[in-house]
Amino acid sequence: DSGVTQTPKHLITATGQRVTLRCSPRSGDLSVYWYQQSLDQGLQFLIQYYNGEERAKGNILERFSAQQFPDLHSELNLSSLELGDSALYFCASSAQLRTSGITDTQYFGPGTRLTVL
Amino acid sequence: DAKTTQPPSMDCAEGRAANLPCNHSTISGNEYVYWYRQIHSQGPQYIIHGLKNNETNEMASLIITEDRKSSTLILPHATLRDTAVYYCILRSLDSGYALNFGKGTSLLVTP
Repeated sequence: DSGVTQTPKHLITATGQRVTLRCSPRSGDLSVYWYQQSLDQGLQFLIQYYNGEERAKGNILERFSAQQFPDLHSELNLSSLELGDSALYFCASSAQLRTSGITDTQYFGPGTRLTVL
Repeated sequence: DAKTTQPPSMDCAEGRAANLPCNHSTISGNEYVYWYRQIHSQGPQYIIHGLKNNETNEMASLIITEDRKSSTLILPHATLRDTAVYYCILRSLDSGYALNFGKGTSLLVTP
């Protein structure tokens, strides 16, 4: 158990709909990352938040957005869903202390499996 | 455009050492070598990381060549639960803090 929790575990929805995935980081971790894993693209970084602010963006579609709240939990919002958005969505957290920098380890949650029908 | 090259698959007998190679011939001086694994659609699990010295923890050992162009992850006594996809990832401040997963090596541990 990494200490990172994600809800829901599974989500089934229809094309055109909007969903919200939730992530609670490990206690004390300030940084949250979102990753998408689909069969054809593998594990891809979407976006990172640090202490409530967006820190880095990866291959995130404009239909997707995220935020990190004052209690440090994060939500990933996916809208106008398409069949190709079906994937596993993982959240990871890290302490991201200024002194640890690049050696800061990311710990992953169990993921949310999204199926778009 | 992953900067590491790993064999797509490997087999290992239970109880034997599993040696997973990774080539990173274009590694730069400030890049760390990280290893993660993913067991059947679970969240990726951190294993170990290093810069230039060999590293060991309770899960594995990491051997980095002197020129840093390749490394080997060693699971000393593989068990069936070590069957997973293993990812070798380079990480530096220049590339940001995100992990750039490639295709990894699918390790099958057999009885």
